Amino acid sequence: VLLEQSAAEAKKSGNSLTISCRGSPTTVNTYWIAWVRQVPGKGLEWVGLIYPDDSDIRYTPSFRGQVTISADKSTGTAYLSWNSLKASDSGMYFCARGGSWLVKNLAFDYWGQGTRVTVSS
Amino acid sequence: QSVLTQPPSASGTPGQRVTISCSGSSSSIGSNYVFWYQYVPGTAPRLLIYDNRQRPSGVPDRFSGSKSGTSASLAISDLRSEDEGFYYCATWDDRLSSPDFGTGTKVTVL
Repeated sequence: VLLEQSAAEAKKSGNSLTISCRGSPTTVNTYWIAWVRQVPGKGLEWVGLIYPDDSDIRYTPSFRGQVTISADKSTGTAYLSWNSLKASDSGMYFCARGGSWLVKNLAFDYWGQGTRVTVSS
Repeated sequence: QSVLTQPPSASGTPGQRVTISCSGSSSSIGSNYVFWYQYVPGTAPRLLIYDNRQRPSGVPDRFSGSKSGTSASLAISDLRSEDEGFYYCATWDDRLSSPDFGTGTKVTVL
């Protein structure tokens, strides 16, 4: 398993949360790592991407200001965080590893198993 | 909101060929490579096509991709029951400076 994600979370609105995507420095740091959300009945959405080696981060417009993406180079782990959860943040969150250092290369061929986030009011 | 438009559904009988379109713009498909993903609920998305028409190892040659101008297509030939699921195109959008997924197409094998 190249990418191991943290377990499912059930939180209340207003809570903070950080979920993780663990690989290894050699398998993660020099590739773009993406976060993708899937909500039942809706499509796939890119949350954002991070290049752990230099922490270059790109957020998609819908998620900019709503979440924080970070990474720990020493462990090859990427994180997705919320300061104040909303019910609309509920969904399955996948992390995935891209094919190269090119940000426009959306060939994400290795995926985590997903982390289900459930936010209740 | 996605700026890549796909038909909501497509279907066929086993052995048939199904084609899924993906319509974008000059700042998205018109300027960048297109990628295709298969999503089966309960599993992680799977990369089917990269760089418009290339298949990763392990993806059957029944899946093929093409691009022309601001549109792209995914064709599934010799349709099989295991092909049921949702299919998404993806590309970078230079205007948004971010990636985008298509609206998704549900494929049903009749």
